[in-house]
Amino acid sequence: EAGVAQSPRYKIIEKRQSVAFWCNPISGHATLYWYQQILGQGPKLLIQFQNNGVVDDSQLPKDRFSAERLKGVDSTLKIQPAKLEDSAVYLCASSARDFQYQLLAKNIQYFGAGTRLSVL
Amino acid sequence: AQTVTQSQPEMSVQEAETVTLSCTYDTSESNYYLFWYKQPPSRQMILVIRQEAYKQQNATENRFSVNFQKAAKSFSLKISDSQLGDTAMYFCAFSQLYGGSQGNLIFGKGTKLSVKP
Repeated sequence: EAGVAQSPRYKIIEKRQSVAFWCNPISGHATLYWYQQILGQGPKLLIQFQNNGVVDDSQLPKDRFSAERLKGVDSTLKIQPAKLEDSAVYLCASSARDFQYQLLAKNIQYFGAGTRLSVL
Repeated sequence: AQTVTQSQPEMSVQEAETVTLSCTYDTSESNYYLFWYKQPPSRQMILVIRQEAYKQQNATENRFSVNFQKAAKSFSLKISDSQLGDTAMYFCAFSQLYGGSQGNLIFGKGTKLSVKP
């Protein structure tokens, strides 16, 4: 079974530029997450999708960050314009859903390798 | 709001010995999950072990086991027979079972574990 795919692995941009990250979840996983991991900290949730709908984006800085999952599969996360404090690793994760019990299947998330963003 | 605290920024252990990583959390929920994730230098988060709060029995996965103390809101990870490949950042994480935030992981700041030959 293929894992969660993310690209690019690394990205270096200057402040005020824009950047986009791509994520392809595990096949059949309805729930997709984007996390931001600043150096020395644990990941922090930015946005959660259930199929192509947003479940939680309360911690997404909406003035500069946007995310979409148009067909309920792949997702893109965009930053425009980038700030120095956006330097971080951006992790994508996916999980399956137990439709019988309307719960996430064991609440287990599978993570991609992340994109390391450096804003200069 | 839920919080997760890992009080040990760094730890080291000799190969083949046992080490325990600490984690405490705060929540008003009664049903939730707790996790330990491992993050090697490759950055990919790997699930080590998972505990359902309604289960009193501590979870075990081969060399990894937890000590789950629900009343004390404590969730420590014990690694037995440490191996060089266990060197990584270890994150404790919390997840609600129900509600709008179902599934969202709340992470601690991590413990950097070094296994020495």
